[in-house]
Amino acid sequence: EAAVTQSPRNKVAVTGGKVTLSCNQTNNHNNMYWYRQDTGHGLRLIHYSYGAGSTEKGDIPDGYKASRPSQENFSLILELATPSQTSVYFCASGDWGVEDTQYFGPGTRLLVL
Amino acid sequence: GQQVQQSPASLVLQEGENAELQCNFSTSLNSMQWFYQRPGGSLVSLFYNPSGTKQSGRLTSTTVIKERRSSLHISSSQTTDSGTYLCAMATGYQNFYFGKGTSLTVIP
Repeated sequence: EAAVTQSPRNKVAVTGGKVTLSCNQTNNHNNMYWYRQDTGHGLRLIHYSYGAGSTEKGDIPDGYKASRPSQENFSLILELATPSQTSVYFCASGDWGVEDTQYFGPGTRLLVL
Repeated sequence: GQQVQQSPASLVLQEGENAELQCNFSTSLNSMQWFYQRPGGSLVSLFYNPSGTKQSGRLTSTTVIKERRSSLHISSSQTTDSGTYLCAMATGYQNFYFGKGTSLTVIP
C-alpha cells in the first residue's frame, strides 16, 4: 500500500505569518498534489508536480506556493497566511499508467487566526 | 471548467439496506476513481474504474463512458459504511476533478 505522510497534522497560525506544510511519499511516484477541502466545495487542487524541480498551478493557486525539492518531498507554502486559508489540506501522490490512481496523506488541519 | 456532479448529497439508510450513489461528468473521461472518506479522515481508494464493472465485497462500481456516468452500489449496508463517498475523474494526464461527495449514514 502506498504511503504518504504529512506534517504537521494540526497547525494554528496568525494572519500574515508564513506557514509551510510538508508531504513525503515513499512510493517513488512521479506526481504529487496538494488539495484543500472545505465544506460546500469538496476537494480543490492547489498545486501539483510531475517530478523533482517541477511545480504546476492547479485550480486555486492564489496565495500559495509549492516546492518539490526531491522525488519524495512536496511542500505547500503560505507566505502570508489569511483566515480564508483555514482549511484541511491533503497531499496525494500517484502515477499515470495501468491504474491512474492517487494515494492520499492523512491531512493537515490549518487554522489561521 | 470540469463538472463532476454527485447524487444524492446525503443518504440515510437502515442497516441492511442497499445504496446506489451516482457520479455524472460533463465531459468525456479517461480515468475515474471512487474514494471513501472517514469522518474527519483521509481518503481511501475504493475503485479505479474508467469503464465497465468492478466488484469488491459488498461494493460494485459501474462506469458507462458514453453516458458519462459512474455508480457505486453498496449492498447490505453496515454502520461501518457511514462516511463520505467521493468520485473523481480525469480527462487527461494532469489531475483529477472531484465531486462534492455523498454523505452516507447507516443507522442500526
